[in-house]
Amino acid sequence: DAGVIQSPRHEVTEMGQEVTLRCKPISGHDYLFWYRQTMMRGLELLIYFNNNVPIDDSGMPEDRFSAKMPNASFSTLKIQPSEPRDSAVYFCASRPGQGAMGTEAFFGQGTRLTVV
Amino acid sequence: RKEVEQDPGPFNVPEGATVAFNCTYSNSASQSFFWYRQDCRKEPKLLMSVYSSGNEDGRFTAQLNRASQYISLLIRDSKLSDSATYLCVAGNTPLVFGKGTRLSVIA
Repeated sequence: DAGVIQSPRHEVTEMGQEVTLRCKPISGHDYLFWYRQTMMRGLELLIYFNNNVPIDDSGMPEDRFSAKMPNASFSTLKIQPSEPRDSAVYFCASRPGQGAMGTEAFFGQGTRLTVV
Repeated sequence: RKEVEQDPGPFNVPEGATVAFNCTYSNSASQSFFWYRQDCRKEPKLLMSVYSSGNEDGRFTAQLNRASQYISLLIRDSKLSDSATYLCVAGNTPLVFGKGTRLSVIA
């Protein structure tokens, strides 16, 4: 398995532009998580899905952020409009279902977003 | 959201030293515990799971104290290659990550 795949790896955009981050989870994993990492706040959970259904989006900072999971093999995180304070590394992770309690989450390589 | 707290460091230790990291978690219902390692500009990767009975993997030993809600990681005979940030993790779904403890092993 290729692991969790994220694209793009790096994104530099101007303030006000729309940004779309993409994630392909590990096949067969029921859970998909979007995290954001900054030096100040560490790794923060933004939203997670179970079987393509959003379960908890309380970590999404504001309405400018939205996430979708149209099928089991693809998810997007969109920021519109982007702001400089959104600059961070965004990680997608996946994990097997509840039957595999105690198993770890597997991370993609992340998208480093810079908003100028 | 419930939190995981750990000393940010940095810990600067000479090669061969023994170093210990600790963390506490606030959600008493947590059932899954891990230590992850994150290298600079890379994604977090699992170092080891943590069990109530304690577990060892080579030079690494992890302990869990459920009563105190406390997790530890001991690294013996530190190597230069151990230099990284170590993330303490607790929870169920979702997992909650600490901010990490930075370790630098110096020759």
